[in-house]
Amino acid sequence: DTEVTQTPKHLVMGMTNKKSLKCEQHMGHRAMYWYKQKAKKPPELMFVYSYEKLSINESVPSRFSPECPNSSLLNLHLHALQPEDSALYLCASSQEDRSQETQYFGPGTRLLVL
Amino acid sequence: GNSVTQMEGPVTLSEEAFLTINCTYTATGYPSLFWYVQYPGEGLQLLLKATKADDKGSNKGFEATYRKETTSFHLEKGSVQVSDSAVYFCALSDGSFQKLVFGTGTRLLVSP
Repeated sequence: DTEVTQTPKHLVMGMTNKKSLKCEQHMGHRAMYWYKQKAKKPPELMFVYSYEKLSINESVPSRFSPECPNSSLLNLHLHALQPEDSALYLCASSQEDRSQETQYFGPGTRLLVL
Repeated sequence: GNSVTQMEGPVTLSEEAFLTINCTYTATGYPSLFWYVQYPGEGLQLLLKATKADDKGSNKGFEATYRKETTSFHLEKGSVQVSDSAVYFCALSDGSFQKLVFGTGTRLLVSP
């Protein structure tokens, strides 16, 4: 099973709202990722968690706040977003092992900020 | 730095035609190479991968061979279907394995 699930599938929020995106995997992977994808572009890495600790933050604005409550769950808390933050947000997971580094992606959350 | 270059799209083909999508890379060391596919409105799905030189990845009729001498990982399929219409991303993982480097993506449109 190589499934990563994400909720919600779609989200519309105003610039003053607070919302959260959720990601879950049950493959025993110890690395989890958040990506942002704009239309007709490749995914851009935002954050990486390794063994439930933040290991990479690609200079993402503080209005995006990641959280990894346990090894299977990854959240992205959103607050005071801007319209330009509208995008597809993808979660991925992988083993922490050079020989099994394949990242498996979820279906994404399509976010619209009004 | 590491980079991946893909051919510009869209690639437009008729059903049952032969497909090639070119991908070349620049990397230090020995990266792993991947092809991901993204169908409209969906996330990325791993299509195939290769982890060392001369490895051939294959899946669902698609295949790609890791060519270190030409730093290439071209995607091929002998007979495309309408259902193969999607965006295809070539990517590499360079050993700092938490970072994937993606190409710009190539849109494939297959008509009946």
